[in-house]
Amino acid sequence: QKEVEQDPGPLSVPEGAIVSLNCTYSNSAFQYFMWYRQYSRKGPELLMYTYSSGNKEDGRFTAQVDKSSKYISLFIRDSQPSDSATYLCAINAGGTSYGKLTFGQGTILTVHP
Amino acid sequence: GAGVSQTPSNKVTEKGKYVELRCDPISGHTALYWYRQSLGQGPEFLIYFQGTGAADDSGLPNDRFFAVRPEGSVSTLKIQRTERGDSAVYLCASSQQGMADTQYFGPGTRLTVL
Repeated sequence: QKEVEQDPGPLSVPEGAIVSLNCTYSNSAFQYFMWYRQYSRKGPELLMYTYSSGNKEDGRFTAQVDKSSKYISLFIRDSQPSDSATYLCAINAGGTSYGKLTFGQGTILTVHP
Repeated sequence: GAGVSQTPSNKVTEKGKYVELRCDPISGHTALYWYRQSLGQGPEFLIYFQGTGAADDSGLPNDRFFAVRPEGSVSTLKIQRTERGDSAVYLCASSQQGMADTQYFGPGTRLTVL
């Protein structure tokens, strides 16, 4: 079993839809939770960063963490064609492993006009 | 300001050859990371530098892989006796201090081993 599981999709939605992306993880030591967006042939760019259970909102994006269920989510409201990309969840255990991010497989999202 | 840069952007080599991949981090960032991303997968951690020293090299797959950061800035990932399975995108990231702060990624080097 992988430490971080993410449904690869692909996910196709119409413009304006609400998108829900999810990851589960197995290691309860994980403390820091991130969502990255990666366009084709580019490096990942950070969208959201959180270290506690609950919700964090930034514009059209909301990150949700449930440590008791080891489940993290990213919601995109009013999705736009420019949101079409691969979305990667990334988790950091902190402590002595603080330099290492463990990524999910990535979910390919297409928002069509 | 300038982001993380990586050279070359593409590298094609033959099985058994030696390759070097270079990473220029964001100026002032003390921490530097290497990841490998295979097609359809998320990035996989290889090694992390804090300053000049490797703080965690637990992700290097075998002794054909080696990385250096002699002056605490530019880093080079070196792969000896390349194999077809080494074909992937090699990503470099840097962050201000290490710990759990934000990692900024470069565009990657696409390595193809024929």
